[in-house]
Amino acid sequence: GNSVTQMEGPVTLSEEAFLTINCTYTATGYPSLFWYVQYPGEGLQLLLKATKADDKGSNKGFEATYRKETTSFHLEKGSVQVSDSAVYFCALSGDDKIIFGKGTRLHILP
Amino acid sequence: GAVVSQHPSRVICKSGTSVKIECRSLDFQATTMFWYRQFPKQSLMLMATSNEGSKATYEQGVEKDKFLINHASLTLSTLTVTSAHPEDSSFYICSAREGAYEQYFGPGTRLTVT
Repeated sequence: GNSVTQMEGPVTLSEEAFLTINCTYTATGYPSLFWYVQYPGEGLQLLLKATKADDKGSNKGFEATYRKETTSFHLEKGSVQVSDSAVYFCALSGDDKIIFGKGTRLHILP
Repeated sequence: GAVVSQHPSRVICKSGTSVKIECRSLDFQATTMFWYRQFPKQSLMLMATSNEGSKATYEQGVEKDKFLINHASLTLSTLTVTSAHPEDSSFYICSAREGAYEQYFGPGTRLTVT
């Protein structure tokens, strides 16, 4: 069945550091891929998405590229801010459902 | 973007009682709603999918007689945890979608069963 594996956290970085959160997936067919973010005390928000191979999703300085050959959708940001501290979920859509990874907690130190 | 609300945000109930959680789409018609459960430091586990006016489709391993889902209108779905026990304590999140559009998530409800 479909599944998503993402790096375990927590990830702690200093402000302005480069961020990578790895995500790989297993799926039949051609799923859409997503990154969701959950800020403290809030619900999930869609951060970015890609719907086909080689698509790049981007938002708020975050980027992720849909790599079919490596079944990956790694999240990157060139310079993180304290306000980026949150839990990040990689997800895919398939069979009319969204399947989530376990989430990666990110702490950014000032 | 579209807004999904949940009520209550937190609820504490005694073991053996039932508790109802509401999920509302505030500015769109939610033809499909989803209920998730999130354990501490775990991912969101899909419990069930409901289409307005139809019976919910439950995921494998989810007790449909324990977690009653009603989606009677295009803006409201309810999850009732019946005869709650401490192991039902969790964070419950709903999401809603209009047609094949993007899925929007509610802020979640923290249930504690004592």
